[in-house]
Amino acid sequence: EAGVVQSPRYKIIEKKQPVAFWCNPISGHNTLYWYLQNLGQGPELLIRYENEEAVDDSQLPKDRFSAERLKGVDSTLKIQPAELGDSAVYLCASSLWGPGSGRLNEQFFGPGTRLTVL
Amino acid sequence: AQSVAQPEDQVNVAEGNPLTVKCTYSVSGNPYLFWYVQYPNRGLQFLLKYITGDNLVKGSYGFEAEFNKSQTSFHLKKPSALVSDSALYFCAVRDGGHTPLVFGKGTRLSVIA
Repeated sequence: EAGVVQSPRYKIIEKKQPVAFWCNPISGHNTLYWYLQNLGQGPELLIRYENEEAVDDSQLPKDRFSAERLKGVDSTLKIQPAELGDSAVYLCASSLWGPGSGRLNEQFFGPGTRLTVL
Repeated sequence: AQSVAQPEDQVNVAEGNPLTVKCTYSVSGNPYLFWYVQYPNRGLQFLLKYITGDNLVKGSYGFEAEFNKSQTSFHLKKPSALVSDSALYFCAVRDGGHTPLVFGKGTRLSVIA
């Protein structure tokens, strides 16, 4: 099966410019996650969607970050305006949430978008 | 709140020797524990998980992990390391239910030929 697809893989912008990242989750996965990974750190959740609904966006800096998941499939994460400290890798993941164990709830990660803000 | 500690930033091991990457966790309910591996410029790849049942969990690429409830640990192990195992390893935890994963800061494993 195709994995989680993210684009672009790399992005270099100047500070104060806008930037957008796109994620296409695994087909049929109802839950989508955006994570931020700083250099030398583990991923930290920014926002989690269940279908179209953002169910956890408590860590999303809403003054400059926004996200959407129209039709409960693809998702876009936007930063406007970008700051130097936003340089990081932005990871998208998806999972099929449901009761029980097995492969359900396992998160599959995309390759990430490496953002450099100059 | 959940948390994960990976006490070693770097682990070096000779090829063919056993390896251990340490992880301890804190969670309010029953822990769901995961190990992921990250190669350069790649996303995280799932290795194994513990949900319930046998404390010794076997995963991909010959890796296994042992859940120890009394020590709140979930160390990753492999009997014989390969150079190709060199990567960044992340331990993650969530409590029961649909809650997000909390990751450790990662341990860089270097296997030397």
